[in-house]
Amino acid sequence: EDKVVQSPLSLVVHEGDTVTLNCSYEVTNFRSLLWYKQEKKAPTFLFMLTSSGIEKKSGRLSSILDKKELFSILNITATQTGDSAVYLCAVELSGGSNYKLTFGKGTLLTVNP
Amino acid sequence: ETGVTQTPRHLVMGMTNKKSLKCEQHLGHNAMYWYKQSAKKPLELMFVYNFKEQTENNSVPSRFSPECPNSSHLFLHLHTLQPEDSALYLCASSPGLGQTQYFGPGTRLLVL
Repeated sequence: EDKVVQSPLSLVVHEGDTVTLNCSYEVTNFRSLLWYKQEKKAPTFLFMLTSSGIEKKSGRLSSILDKKELFSILNITATQTGDSAVYLCAVELSGGSNYKLTFGKGTLLTVNP
Repeated sequence: ETGVTQTPRHLVMGMTNKKSLKCEQHLGHNAMYWYKQSAKKPLELMFVYNFKEQTENNSVPSRFSPECPNSSHLFLHLHTLQPEDSALYLCASSPGLGQTQYFGPGTRLLVL
């Protein structure tokens, strides 16, 4: 059974702190790993990672994938209250004509002023 | 204006009702998806359509019936639902399968 596990499930920090969110996976036919930020309702796309060891950056957010150890991390530096959200990790699988995307349960990040 | 819209945003229905959720994307994408997000559970993929053809039905009960009349519109027809079907239903689209998905705002469904 394909599994995506995120840790921690929740995290409370103060503004200015740096946080690291983890996502590990056990899947067959890995294709890519995606990070989303979910505030209120709709998840918004952050990163798609397909290659090991290549860091992707967007402002204060960065992410990297380790395909040997089967995990990814999402770093947020100098956190702000606006970073408070659920961060979702998802793994995309390939396999014939089927399409599969499996999500983790998410990490609830709360940034206090 | 968001590229993916969903209506209604909130819906309350009885177990004997029939209702439909609508999703529309203005991004020129070819793939569309329905997801279910229940409390304390991971986001679950329900259906996938690529160029109007259903490519995935992730073991979803038949009381959920998708329809994709064209690449821009996706419906989820609901009938004889159960209280455990109460959840947030999210629609997403992507340029093609395996490409970045963009989500709509979701429909919060409550089944009484």
